[in-house]
Amino acid sequence: GQQLNQSPQSMFIQEGEDVSMNCTSSSIFNTWLWYKQDPGEGPVLLIALYKAGELTSNGRLTAQFGITRKDSFLNISASIPSDVGIYFCAGNSGTYKYIFGTGTRLKVLA
Amino acid sequence: EAGVAQSPRYKIIEKRQSVAFWCNPISGHATLYWYQQILGQGPKLLIQFQNNGVVDDSQLPKDRFSAERLKGVDSTLKIQPAKLEDSAVYLCATRSPTDTQYFGPGTRLTVL
Repeated sequence: GQQLNQSPQSMFIQEGEDVSMNCTSSSIFNTWLWYKQDPGEGPVLLIALYKAGELTSNGRLTAQFGITRKDSFLNISASIPSDVGIYFCAGNSGTYKYIFGTGTRLKVLA
Repeated sequence: EAGVAQSPRYKIIEKRQSVAFWCNPISGHATLYWYQQILGQGPKLLIQFQNNGVVDDSQLPKDRFSAERLKGVDSTLKIQPAKLEDSAVYLCATRSPTDTQYFGPGTRLTVL
C-alpha cells in the first residue's frame, strides 16, 4: 500500500541534543498525525495538525503542518533517554483513511 | 476517557490453526480500523468500518481473514487458517470526530 516518505530512517543522538524528522507525500493531506511507538505497544498519539502552516507543541515536542500540505516536521528538543522509540507520521486526505510513514527509529545515548 | 481496548495481548498458534482478536473502541467513535504491523514497518490497513458497515477492505486477504462489527461498537478480526507470514502485531484504532486516530495496545501474533 501507499506510504509516506519519512526521514531519517534512524538516528543516534546524545542526550540533550535536539532532533528533527520529517515526512513528505506526493498527495495533499488535510490532517497530519505524529505517533511514538514503544516496543510491544501500540502507537501513542503525540501531536495532531489540522491546517497548513499550523505549528503545535506538546512539551518538548513541536510539529508543523507544511504550507504545501504535502509535508510535516517533528522536532524534539533536549532529548532524554525515554525519547527512544519509533516515531511515525500519518496523513489523512479527507477519506478517513490514514497513510503511514515508514518510521524514524530514535536512539538516545546517555 | 477510556482508550481503545484489545485482547488478547499475545497469541501463539501453529500454522493452519484459527485465531480471533477483539477490539472495543473509544465510546462514540464511529470509524474503526484494523491494521497489521510487521516488525520494522509502519501499520498497514486491513479493514475500515464506519459504524457497522465496511468502508475499505481492499487490502484484507479475504481468503483467510474476516472481520465484523455487528452492532457498530466492538469488532473482531479472524484468521482462518493462519500462515507463518501472518506473524505480526494486529492493531485496532478508532477515529474521533475531530479527525484524530487512537490506537489500542495491539495483539502480537506468533504463528509457528
